[in-house]
Amino acid sequence: DTEVTQTPKHLVMGMTNKKSLKCEQHMGHRAMYWYKQKAKKPPELMFVYSYEKLSINESVPSRFSPECPNSSLLNLHLHALQPEDSALYLCASSQGYPQPQHFGDGTRLSIL
Amino acid sequence: GENVEQHPSTLSVQEGDSAVIKCTYSDSASNYFPWYKQELGKRPQLIIDIRSNVGEKKDQRIAVTLNKTAKHFSLHITETQPEDSAVYFCAALSGTYKYIFGTGTRLKVLA
Repeated sequence: DTEVTQTPKHLVMGMTNKKSLKCEQHMGHRAMYWYKQKAKKPPELMFVYSYEKLSINESVPSRFSPECPNSSLLNLHLHALQPEDSALYLCASSQGYPQPQHFGDGTRLSIL
Repeated sequence: GENVEQHPSTLSVQEGDSAVIKCTYSDSASNYFPWYKQELGKRPQLIIDIRSNVGEKKDQRIAVTLNKTAKHFSLHITETQPEDSAVYFCAALSGTYKYIFGTGTRLKVLA
């Protein structure tokens, strides 16, 4: 019973493709996060949105473009990715500060 | 920059024994410390957390202790069971929304 829903679960794309990852939560949380996780490594923070505004960008390459259309939705637009971008991309949300994060099941991304 | 060190990287215990995982954080302003369990191919799940105004918190077989002076916090699992086998991550909140994760501990509970 995951409360943070991510789609798609798996994505394979070429280096010239454009795709988007989606994340949705209906818990009324005001902060939403994107993480990248490589195998056997901890989640690595990419972006944080607070009240639909970008609060943190951890110097992520511009080929990753986040978007927060409303308080329940978070997108990650992908363009011209590299093979090293293959990873599990996790979305999370939290009520505010300091509150626990709830993670989605992630999108497993493979770049060919 | 801020970082969180976590030890050990792997831990094997016999079923029924206790397991202890330790973390040290660098940002003295950190005031919230969650612990996550991640099974293979699954999402991180919060198992326990502690705030800086508390020294210890317990939830059944799981406990967390915090030493703010030393900037240490630890996870204690008692009466371990095979289903406790997973990777455990500690984290420290640095600033308003920036969670810094430890490098993870792979716990194996041997039946």
